[in-house]
Amino acid sequence: GDKVKQSPSALSLQEGTNSALRCNFSIAATTVQWFLQNPRGSLMNLFYLVPGTKENGRLKSAFDSKESYSTLHIRDAQLEDSGTYFCAAEAYQGGRALIFGTGTTVSVSP
Amino acid sequence: SVLLYQKPNRDICQSGTSLKIQCVADSQVVSMFWYQQFQEQSLMLMATANEGSEATYESGFTKDKFPISRPNLTFSTLTVNNARPGDSSIYFCSSNRQSSYEQYFGPGTRLTVL
Repeated sequence: GDKVKQSPSALSLQEGTNSALRCNFSIAATTVQWFLQNPRGSLMNLFYLVPGTKENGRLKSAFDSKESYSTLHIRDAQLEDSGTYFCAAEAYQGGRALIFGTGTTVSVSP
Repeated sequence: SVLLYQKPNRDICQSGTSLKIQCVADSQVVSMFWYQQFQEQSLMLMATANEGSEATYESGFTKDKFPISRPNLTFSTLTVNNARPGDSSIYFCSSNRQSSYEQYFGPGTRLTVL
C-alpha cells in the first residue's frame, strides 16, 4: 500500500477561503517536505520540516512524527495556489531520497 | 537552493530506441536523484546517483533498462534503453545542498514513446 497517503485527493476552493491538506505516513518519517506542482509540471519546494510547525505567507505546515502525520494549511486561497500538492518523507534513515505522497489536486476558482 | 537544468524538455521516440536525459546542477552536489512520474500520478524514486560510484536503483528499476552516469559533481545522465510506450512519463532529476535536506527539482523531461 501507499507508504505516504494524502487526503483529500482533490479539493475545490473559492478564492479567499481556507483549507487544510493532510499527509499520513506508514513509515517512520523523521522529516517531511511539501511541494507544489504547477499545471506546467514544475515542482516547487514549499517547506522542509522536522517535527514542529513552519509558516510562510499564507501557508502553514505542521509535522507530528509521533503520530505520523503532517498538515498543510492554505489561508485566503488565491488562483495561483492551484496545482497538485505533494508531501514527501525521506526514503531511508539519514538519506535524502524521498518517498512522495499520493498528492492533493487543488483547484481555486474566483 | 539548487538550480537544476534538464535536456531535452521533451522527446518523442519510437519503441525499441534509446534516449538520454541530461541533468546539470548550477553547483557541485553530492547526490542526484531520478524520479519518474506518470500522468496524474505521484513521483516514484528510480535511483540515487553519487559521483564516482554505481547508481543505487529502487525496486522495479534496473541498471540495464535505466543506466545512469554521474561523471562529476554537477552532471548526471539517465538513459532509457529499449523504450516502450509504458515508459512514457515525465522524468525529473533532483538534488539538495550538502548543508540542507531541502530538495529541488529540475523542470522535468516529458517522454512519449510511440
